[in-house]
Amino acid sequence: DSGVTQTPKHLITATGQRVTLRCSPRSGDLSVYWYQQSLDQGLQFLIQYYNGEERAKGNILERFSAQQFPDLHSELNLSSLELGDSALYFCASSVGTGSFGYTFGSGTRLTVV
Amino acid sequence: GQQLNQSPQSMFIQEGEDVSMNCTSSSIFNTWLWYKQDPGEGPVLLIALYKAGELTSNGRLTAQFGITRKDSFLNISASIPSDVGIYFCAGMNYGGSQGNLIFGKGTKLSVKP
Repeated sequence: DSGVTQTPKHLITATGQRVTLRCSPRSGDLSVYWYQQSLDQGLQFLIQYYNGEERAKGNILERFSAQQFPDLHSELNLSSLELGDSALYFCASSVGTGSFGYTFGSGTRLTVV
Repeated sequence: GQQLNQSPQSMFIQEGEDVSMNCTSSSIFNTWLWYKQDPGEGPVLLIALYKAGELTSNGRLTAQFGITRKDSFLNISASIPSDVGIYFCAGMNYGGSQGNLIFGKGTKLSVKP
């Protein structure tokens, strides 16, 4: 157990729908990162939050949004889902800006049908 | 954006053999990290490197931060079946408020007993 908790573990939904993925960071970690992993693209950075504020944005689509709450858990919202959004979504956390590496959760496998 | 080229893409080796994989970048990083991902799990940090030329070991694993700061390699000695998985290199330039990792596409390692 890495200490980073992601729910749900699996999600199957239809095109056009909206889903919310949840992440609880490791105790004491202030930064949360979201990554998308697909077969052909590898691990792609989506967005980072630090202590409730957005700090960095990567290749995140406009249909996707995220937030970090006062208790430091984070949610990734994916809307108007397309077949191509099917992927593993990982959350990671770190104490600060991650210079000692991130700790990853086990991921949420999203399947859009 | 920054790209990491990781090679080889896959390796199929005999138990007991040594393994070598590397990662090159078009630009410099001030941190290199190596992760391993098992099926159905998130990446787990193996080794972190912070200084050009640094050589660091973790059990049978040894990694080096290239002098040019644009490359890194990972060696696994005397491979065993549990070494099977996907190995990712990742580079980071931290500073200021952000520190997102850029990942290579991974090296898939298969070990024949």
